Order: sequence, then C-alpha cells, then structure tokens
Amino acid sequence: GNSVTQMEGPVTLSEEAFLTINCTYTATGYPSLFWYVQYPGEGLQLLLKATKADDKGSNKGFEATYRKETTSFHLEKGSVQVSDSAVYFCALSPHNAGNNRKLIWGLGTSLAVNP
Amino acid sequence: DAGVIQSPRHEVTEMGQEVTLRCKPISGHDYLFWYRQTMMRGLELLIYFNNNVPIDDSGMPEDRFSAKMPNASFSTLKIQPSEPRDSAVYFCASTEATGTNTQYFGPGTRLTVL
Repeated sequence: GNSVTQMEGPVTLSEEAFLTINCTYTATGYPSLFWYVQYPGEGLQLLLKATKADDKGSNKGFEATYRKETTSFHLEKGSVQVSDSAVYFCALSPHNAGNNRKLIWGLGTSLAVNP
Repeated sequence: DAGVIQSPRHEVTEMGQEVTLRCKPISGHDYLFWYRQTMMRGLELLIYFNNNVPIDDSGMPEDRFSAKMPNASFSTLKIQPSEPRDSAVYFCASTEATGTNTQYFGPGTRLTVL
C-alpha cells in the first residue's frame, strides 16, 4: 500500500543553519508529492509540491526534488530563520487516484530555530 | 478568495454535551475533508465528501461522531455526547475535483471537553 515516512523530530537548529528533513514514500506509479507546513496555532498550508519525477518544488527558500529512483522527496533550506519554526508534513496523492482524494500523510517533523 | 472558513475557532464544553463544528469550503471545490489532530495520534482523516456525498467515513471514531454536507458551501461535524478524549483540534480542508489534489485547510477548531 501507499505510505510516507518522515524523519522524526524534533529538529533544533541555529539561525542560518542548513536544513534537511527526510521524506521517503512507498507507492505504485507516479504519485504527486507535497510538503505542508503548520505554524503554531494555525492550520496546515501547502509549502511546495511536485507532480512528476525529477520535478523540483520550491517556495520561501525551501526546495524538494522528486526522486523516483530513491522514492524520496527531502525538504531542504540553505539558511533557516526563527520564523521557519513549525511542523512540516510530507504527503502523497496516489497515482491515478480517480475519486479517491485522500492524501497519505507523514507523521510530521517539528522544527525549532534558535536565534 | 476567503479560504476555508471554520467556526467556532475555540469551543469549551462539558462532558455529555453536544458539539457542532462548522465548515465552509472554498467556492468551487468539490471535495471536503474533516481531520482531527492530537499530540498522541497526530493528524487523522475522519471523513470526506465529494459533491456533498460522503465517500469514506472509515476514520470516524465511533457513533458519537456524525458529519453532514447539506450543500456545496456548508458542512458540519457533530459530536453527541462529547467526551474528554474528544479534545483536539479539528480541521476542515477542501480541494478541486481536477488538478494535483492540493488540499486547502481552514484554521481549525480547538475543542476542549471538560
């Protein structure tokens, strides 16, 4: 079946450090892949997405590349800020899902950035 | 666009009371989802609708929970009777029938059952 595995948190970094949050998936075909971010006290919001192999999603300095060969979609940012402190969720939408619009979610990774 | 709207934002009630959470999806979105988020169990999908019809309610925890979507712009999630273990943040999300299945979330309702 379909599944998403994220690295466990919490992750604690100093401001301007490099960030990587690992995400790997299990799915048939070519799912769409997403990173969502949840800031404290808010709902989840889409950070970036990629819909086919080798696509790179990017937003707000974050990037993730859809790697079919390693079934991965790791989130990276070159220099984190205190304002990036949040919980990050990796998710996938199955290939040819038809009427099935359920997203498969990772458990979330909490990031704390210290000044 | 106003985004997904949820009300109330906070609800505090006593055990045994009925609780009704409300959601207005983004106009034109055909799918609506109800999620629950807790520290212990993370993010759980409770139920989702397509064109106002429930498609999958396998995540609804028990008969105390019910959800309706009487029209394309309104949905409710009802808990009757409520219990302390229902305390959580409840999110509503919506998405279009076509495209990449990007779900748009509301701000959530924080429910506390005493």
